[in-house]
Amino acid sequence: KAGVTQTPRYLIKTRGQQVTLSCSPISGHRSVSWYQQTPGQGLQFLFEYFSETQRNKGNFPGRFSGRQFSNSRSEMNVSTLELGDSALYLCASSLEQGARSDTQYFGPGTRLTVL
Amino acid sequence: AQKVTQAQTEISVVEKEDVTLDCVYETRDTTYYLFWYKQPPSGELVFLIRRNSFDEQNEISGRYSWNFQKSTSSFNFTITASQVVDSAVYFCALSAIRGSARQLTFGSGTQLTVLP
Repeated sequence: KAGVTQTPRYLIKTRGQQVTLSCSPISGHRSVSWYQQTPGQGLQFLFEYFSETQRNKGNFPGRFSGRQFSNSRSEMNVSTLELGDSALYLCASSLEQGARSDTQYFGPGTRLTVL
Repeated sequence: AQKVTQAQTEISVVEKEDVTLDCVYETRDTTYYLFWYKQPPSGELVFLIRRNSFDEQNEISGRYSWNFQKSTSSFNFTITASQVVDSAVYFCALSAIRGSARQLTFGSGTQLTVLP
């Protein structure tokens, strides 16, 4: 079974631009979560989607948004990029059977550099 | 609020040595899950183990073993006979269940370097 895939793997943008990152979960997985990893703040939770609904959100400004499609694929968008948005963005998927907290499996990440 | 502390920022050992990575957590939830992930230089977080708060049995998987002690809120990870391929950043994480939503709270990670 294929793992979580993320595209693109690398991105370079300039301040003020916007960016969209894509995540395809493991086949059959219904929950997708996004995390930001930076050297200073470590791994921080952005948001989680299940059945096309945002179920949980971390402490990030409104410039960070996301969505999930009916096939469970997810995208996250960052508008008006700032230098501090440079990070590795990781997507994770989990099976989510009922209310059980299933293991999250991570993709390779998208490394975003904001110049 | 939940918190995971990995006090060891960097550890360096020589191949074949045993090494223990420490993890201490804080949560007010009675039901929670603990995880260990490995992050090699490629960046992908690789799942290693998950334990729930009701299962304090230690676990061994090959050269890896985990010691979960609720009394001290610790979930330590030991690699026996370390190998160069074990070099990576290791993260401990905590997930509590609140309704149907949950998120992982990660520690700051421990950079393990295994020297040949």
